[in-house]
Amino acid sequence: EAGVAQSPRYKIIEKRQSVAFWCNPISGHATLYWYQQILGQGPKLLIQFQNNGVVDDSQLPKDRFSAERLKGVDSTLKIQPAKLEDSAVYLCASSFKGLRGTQYFGPGTRLLVL
Amino acid sequence: KQEVTQIPAALSVPEGENLVLNCSFTDSAIYNLQWFRQDPGKGLTSLLLIQSSQREQTSGRLNASLDKSSGRSTLYIAASQPGDSATYLCAVEDSGNTPLVFGKGTRLSVIA
Repeated sequence: EAGVAQSPRYKIIEKRQSVAFWCNPISGHATLYWYQQILGQGPKLLIQFQNNGVVDDSQLPKDRFSAERLKGVDSTLKIQPAKLEDSAVYLCASSFKGLRGTQYFGPGTRLLVL
Repeated sequence: KQEVTQIPAALSVPEGENLVLNCSFTDSAIYNLQWFRQDPGKGLTSLLLIQSSQREQTSGRLNASLDKSSGRSTLYIAASQPGDSATYLCAVEDSGNTPLVFGKGTRLSVIA
């Protein structure tokens, strides 16, 4: 069974530029999560989708971050404009059962904002 | 607001030692607790999940215990190996419809 795929793996941009990350969850998993993991910290949930609807985006900085999951499969997370403090690893995870199910994580996208 | 703390932040042990990683949480009204492993440059892998009604879970050389009333969990690793070197994260899922809350992790190095 293929795991959660993410691209790109690394990205370096200058502040005020925009960037987008892509995630393809495990086939059949209805729930998709985007986490932000700052160096030395645990992951923090940014947004959770159930199929193509948003379940929780309470910690998403909506003035600069946006995410979508068209057709309930792939998802993109965008940052526009980026700030220095956005430097982090962005992890995508998916689960079959939603909050009560085991989450399977992708390898992450490491973002450096200069 | 739930907070998860992991001690120590880093640990270095010689190969073959048994070791314990600690996790504490502030709100005991949890639904479950999970231990994850994270290798450098990679995502998280779920190791053990303990439901709130359970006291412990075991998988191979790993044993996780849960004491809800005191807000603590421990991850016991028996006969450690260099391949166990990674960061171990504890995460709590509250009883409400809330997301996982992670600790900062313990970075483990097992020296051959």
